[in-house]
Amino acid sequence: GQSLEQPSEVTAVEGAIVQINCTYQTSGFYGLSWYQQHDGGAPTFLSYNALDGLEETGRFSSFLSRSDSYGYLLLQELQMKDSASYFCAEPNAGNNRKLIWGLGTSLAVNP
Amino acid sequence: GAGVSQSPSNKVTEKGKDVELRCDPISGHTALYWYRQSLGQGLEFLIYFQGNSAPDKSGLPSDRFSAERTGGSVSTLTIQRTQQEDSAVYLCASSLTASGGGYNEQFFGPGTRLTVL
Repeated sequence: GQSLEQPSEVTAVEGAIVQINCTYQTSGFYGLSWYQQHDGGAPTFLSYNALDGLEETGRFSSFLSRSDSYGYLLLQELQMKDSASYFCAEPNAGNNRKLIWGLGTSLAVNP
Repeated sequence: GAGVSQSPSNKVTEKGKDVELRCDPISGHTALYWYRQSLGQGLEFLIYFQGNSAPDKSGLPSDRFSAERTGGSVSTLTIQRTQQEDSAVYLCASSLTASGGGYNEQFFGPGTRLTVL
């Protein structure tokens, strides 16, 4: 079945840069979304990449490589408030109106 | 309200009881999704509604789960004869449309934390 793989945990320090990778299956791929979820909170949309390349939005950037079937979320100038879980998601190949979600990467930003 | 709202925020029930969870989507959003999230896990798709089309129920884990959306707005997720494994956070999301082709920013509510004793 369709699945996405991402690391379960990442730890970094304030001010650093961290990259969270996500690999996906290629069959029927449309694009890759990223969401952020703080503990006890609701997921919030960060970005969507349909084409190869880097999309930058402030301190966060998202990258996609269709040829390598992977993407990543890049977080720069890390702040304590960036401690959260980050999920990649892609449209279901059989019904692209549904999203298939990765299990999430828990990011801990330390002082 | 400006965002998606869900009620109740917390629900504790006894095994075997029925529960109803409510979701109020953002006004004008035609697509509505229900997900389940267990502690430390990803989001498990349950069901989605798109306008007046028949809902996609492919993610419902058993026939104890059902959902409806009245008037294209408010949705209710019902779990009958609850089991302990139903304990999770139930998240509702809405989007302008369930657009084909992939781009589909979903706006999430705060969730309902269901605990089945």
